[in-house]
Amino acid sequence: EVQLVESGGVVVQPGGSLRLSCAASGFTFDDYAMHWVRQAPGKGLEWVSLISWDGGSTYYADSVKGRFTISRDNSKNSLYLQMNSLRAEDTALYYCAKDIQYGDHLGAFDIWGQGTMVTVSS
Amino acid sequence: QSVLTQPPSASGTPGQRVTISCSGSSSNIGSNTVNWYQQLPGTAPKLLIYSNNQRPSGVPDRFSGSKSGTSASLAISGLQSEDEADYYCAAWDDSLNEGVVFGGGTKLTVL
Repeated sequence: EVQLVESGGVVVQPGGSLRLSCAASGFTFDDYAMHWVRQAPGKGLEWVSLISWDGGSTYYADSVKGRFTISRDNSKNSLYLQMNSLRAEDTALYYCAKDIQYGDHLGAFDIWGQGTMVTVSS
Repeated sequence: QSVLTQPPSASGTPGQRVTISCSGSSSNIGSNTVNWYQQLPGTAPKLLIYSNNQRPSGVPDRFSGSKSGTSASLAISGLQSEDEADYYCAAWDDSLNEGVVFGGGTKLTVL
């Protein structure tokens, strides 16, 4: 079964740091680009970041550039999001998602995890 | 304010055909393909349409997508009660900061 399972979401104080993880199974992880997408409570979807299949290329939304770092370990079929200098507006459910395009990225997400909740509050 | 513009709400009766619009610009919809997602309450989004008009395996052919210029639309025919959900359009944006941009979402109500 193709599956993505996120973990690491907690309550953290403003200015704090957090690392999210996403474990992939059921597909050849290192053949696909991967993304993080977030959704604030009661709000719409916001794309956060993309990493290419080999980790050689990364992209970030303006709202997180310079604060968040996406990475992957293909030997462990795992995706990560290091989040620093967290703000209240980063409070959201964070999804990891697989790109549908083999070997490249299309920006279409065909597999989603269940999400992990990050709350930034004092 | 979302980069792509969708109507906040739409509605229809069972069996009816409804369409949801998505408006963008030359840097996103105008030069890249459009994808659509369905999000049922309390669940993760699901890919409904990719590359403007392609359906992933398992998505009923009641759902269809189209694109023209800098706008796109999602059509749902034979509306069913289980189609009541939030729908989002998205596209790659080639502006200074490349990345995926979403519409604000459309809440579809089946009357």
